[in-house]
Amino acid sequence: DTEVTQTPKHLVMGMTNKKSLKCEQHMGHRAMYWYKQKAKKPPELMFVYSYEKLSINESVPSRFSPECPNSSLLNLHLHALQPEDSALYLCASSQGVRPDTQYFGPGTRLTVL
Amino acid sequence: GENVEQHPSTLSVQEGDSAVIKCTYSDSASNYFPWYKQELGKGPQLIIDIRSNVGEKKDQRIAVTLNKTAKHFSLHITETQPEDSAVYFCAATDTGNQFYFGTGTSLTVIP
Repeated sequence: DTEVTQTPKHLVMGMTNKKSLKCEQHMGHRAMYWYKQKAKKPPELMFVYSYEKLSINESVPSRFSPECPNSSLLNLHLHALQPEDSALYLCASSQGVRPDTQYFGPGTRLTVL
Repeated sequence: GENVEQHPSTLSVQEGDSAVIKCTYSDSASNYFPWYKQELGKGPQLIIDIRSNVGEKKDQRIAVTLNKTAKHFSLHITETQPEDSAVYFCAATDTGNQFYFGTGTSLTVIP
C-alpha cells in the first residue's frame, strides 16, 4: 500500500481564520514533506520532516506552521494567510534519508478569500 | 543548486503514437531521477524512476533512459492511449530529501 491521505480535500478560509491541513501515511516512512503547487507549475518544497524532526524549511513565511505529532502524521497549521497563498497543498512521504521515491497524497485545494 | 530543464512544455500525439519528454540537469552529484504523472485535480503519481548506476529502465509501455555524461534523461511512452493525457514532471536529487522538479509537460493524446 503506497497511500498518503490528506484532509480536507477542499478548504476555503478568510484571511483572519486559523485552519489546519492533515496528512497521514501508514507505510512506515520516516520522511514527510509539505509542498505548495500553483496551477501549471511544479510542486515547491516547503518543509521536510525526517524522523519526526524538521530538517528543511524553505524560508516559508511564519503564517505556515508545520507539526509532526508522530511518524505517521503531519499537520500544516495556517494563520493569517493571504490570497496569494491559494494553491494545492501536497503532502508526500518517503522511506528515509537516502534518495528514494516520494509518494504524494491527493492534495488539499486551498482558497484564501 | 540543481537546475532541471524539461522539454517540451506541451506535446500532442495521435493515439498509438509514441511520446518522448526530455530533461537535463546541472549537478553531476544527482543520482536519482523519478518521473511523475499528474492528472487534473490529483496529486503527482510516480510512474517510473531510475538511478545513476542504470542506463535504461522499462515498465510495459513506459521507459526511461539516462545519459550521465550528457546529464540528461528522457521518458518514452509507446502506444499512447487517451488515459496517458496528463502533466508529466521529471525530477532529480542527490540527497533524496530535496527533489528538483522540471517545469512539466502537458501531454494530450488525441483519439
